[in-house]
Amino acid sequence: EDQVTQSPEALRLQEGESSSLNCSYTVSGLRGLFWYRQDPGKGPEFLFTLYSAGEEKEKERLKATLTKKESFLHITAPKPEDSATYLCAVQAGDSGYSTLTFGKGTMLLVSP
Amino acid sequence: KAGVTQTPRYLIKTRGQQVTLSCSPISGHRSVSWYQQTPGQGLQFLFEYFSETQRNKGNFPGRFSGRQFSNSRSEMNVSTLELGDSALYLCASSLSGPDGYTFGSGTRLTVV
Repeated sequence: EDQVTQSPEALRLQEGESSSLNCSYTVSGLRGLFWYRQDPGKGPEFLFTLYSAGEEKEKERLKATLTKKESFLHITAPKPEDSATYLCAVQAGDSGYSTLTFGKGTMLLVSP
Repeated sequence: KAGVTQTPRYLIKTRGQQVTLSCSPISGHRSVSWYQQTPGQGLQFLFEYFSETQRNKGNFPGRFSGRQFSNSRSEMNVSTLELGDSALYLCASSLSGPDGYTFGSGTRLTVV
């Protein structure tokens, strides 16, 4: 069974204080690893897709990396508007092409 | 471009009733997937429709069903509602699968 574990569950940072969120996974045949951002009362918003170990992607203050067992979402010099829940999900080869297995998320709060 | 539209946004139902939720995907998107989000379990896959055919189904009881129309709009139905069905129900559309999902804002279902 595919499993995705995110840590920490919650993280409080001061504005400008960089940190990383972790997503560890156990799947049979990773097709892709996805990062989403979810604001209260809204649906998840797509951030990145990573396909193979060693791959990295960046967008503004966010950088996602992937190894064979985990992914990190690095947040550099965060701002209060980065406060949200960050979700990690995997698409595995044997769980159906069309499905994602999600972790429970990391709730990030950035204080000014 | 218009996003994914889910209606209604909020719904309160009584145990034993049934409910129908609607999802209008982004124009041109033929894949529509449904997820249930609860604080305890996170996002869990319900089912996916592609060109009016159910392509994949998650581990939910038969009380949960769905369909897709020729214009790609999708509905999901839950019969004989239970208290545990209270959740945020999210719909995601894409051209062909999870890569490129766009989520709607969800329907918040409360069962009393």
